[in-house]
Amino acid sequence: EDQVTQSPEALRLQEGESSSLNCSYTVSGLRGLFWYRQDPGKGPEFLFTLYSAGEEKEKERLKATLTKKESFLHITAPKPEDSATYLCAVQALVSGGYNKLIFGAGTRLAVHP
Amino acid sequence: EAGVVQSPRYKIIEKKQPVAFWCNPISGHNTLYWYRQNLGQGPELLIRYENEEAVDDSQLPKDRFSAERLKGVDSTLKIQPAELGDSAVYLCASSLNWDSLNTGELFFGEGSRLTVL
Repeated sequence: EDQVTQSPEALRLQEGESSSLNCSYTVSGLRGLFWYRQDPGKGPEFLFTLYSAGEEKEKERLKATLTKKESFLHITAPKPEDSATYLCAVQALVSGGYNKLIFGAGTRLAVHP
Repeated sequence: EAGVVQSPRYKIIEKKQPVAFWCNPISGHNTLYWYRQNLGQGPELLIRYENEEAVDDSQLPKDRFSAERLKGVDSTLKIQPAELGDSAVYLCASSLNWDSLNTGELFFGEGSRLTVL
């Protein structure tokens, strides 16, 4: 069964304290892995797409990497405005021949001054 | 440019009552999605439309849920009758076309939070 697991569930950091969020997946034939940011009371906002092992993408203090079994979202010198829930999703081919996104439960990040 | 607009933002109803959610996608976006997000979980797809056609409704509980996208623009998601377990945030998203599933570039609305008492 296609599955996406994110860890930790919640992470508290001090401003400037770098860390990484993990997304492990089991999917038959990965077509793409995506990271989203979700602020409280808002919908997810697209951040990155990764297609193949070894690929990296960067945006400001965020860098996403991909291996054959997992992806990491590295946060360098975070600021309080980076506080949000970070969601990972994979594109999977499900029964009926449809492509769909399967989301993980997310990591709630809190960055304190 | 206006984003995906959803209404109402919040809805509280008694169980067995009907409820409807409305979504206006980004102009020019052919693909529209309805997702359900339970507390502490990621979104789960309910239905995907390509223009007016529902192309993936395999996760839509058809005994009580229905959706429509008339004229390939706005969409409505209805629940009748609502059950306690339907309490969740209902998210609408849109993308240029189905190929956006390959890039992950979906644009989400702020969601409609449903509480069933």
